[in-house]
Amino acid sequence: DIQMTQSPSSLSASVGDRVTITCRASQSISSYLNWYQQKPGKAPKLLINAASSLQSGVPSRFSGSGSGTDFTLTISSLQPEDFATYFCQQSHSTPYTFGQGTKLEIK
Amino acid sequence: QLQLQESGPGLVKPSETLSLTCTVSGGSISSSSYYWTWIRQPPGEGLEWIGSIYYSGSTYYNPSLKSRVTISVDTSKNQFSLKLSSVTAADTAVYYCARVSKNAGIKWYFDVWGRGTLVTVSS
Repeated sequence: DIQMTQSPSSLSASVGDRVTITCRASQSISSYLNWYQQKPGKAPKLLINAASSLQSGVPSRFSGSGSGTDFTLTISSLQPEDFATYFCQQSHSTPYTFGQGTKLEIK
Repeated sequence: QLQLQESGPGLVKPSETLSLTCTVSGGSISSSSYYWTWIRQPPGEGLEWIGSIYYSGSTYYNPSLKSRVTISVDTSKNQFSLKLSSVTAADTAVYYCARVSKNAGIKWYFDVWGRGTLVTVSS
């Protein structure tokens, strides 16, 4: 199985901050990488697919980059509604696997 | 607007079979553009892909669960279903159904999710 490792596991930031979350795959996955946001008690929401393609309706302050084994999700200017847990997920090969999550909290 | 809704028992006894159904509304499960999938999340933990199915019945399963999992589709009802046999407390989780879309035809992603249903395994 391809292991997905996110860092940091938790992060405290303020409204307006620029935030970067990293995801590393245990082997090369090209750009088969997706990012999701999950709020407490809710289903995950797709933010970015194929490493950098912004899902329709997702604010442009979210962006993704990377290829191979190293990927980043960047939020350019944090808004109050962005405080949530973020997961990366690889779709290079089955079983599709997720990172352990990064909890973004208000400082 | 496409919507997915999970349904099934919220409590299952150990060693029994967990059965859930996902009803798709606002679109056809028989679309050639999509797969359909089950994903679970134990309380306070991460996400685990269980398996996916095409409207034709073609399936992909997580090897860690493959011996216990069956995913099926009923196109006449616009539903797909999950059966997980011989459950233990470790199978306690929120179970989500979701649609699988593809970027450039090959890069899968889960773009529409149900709200999820908590299934507890306990006697």
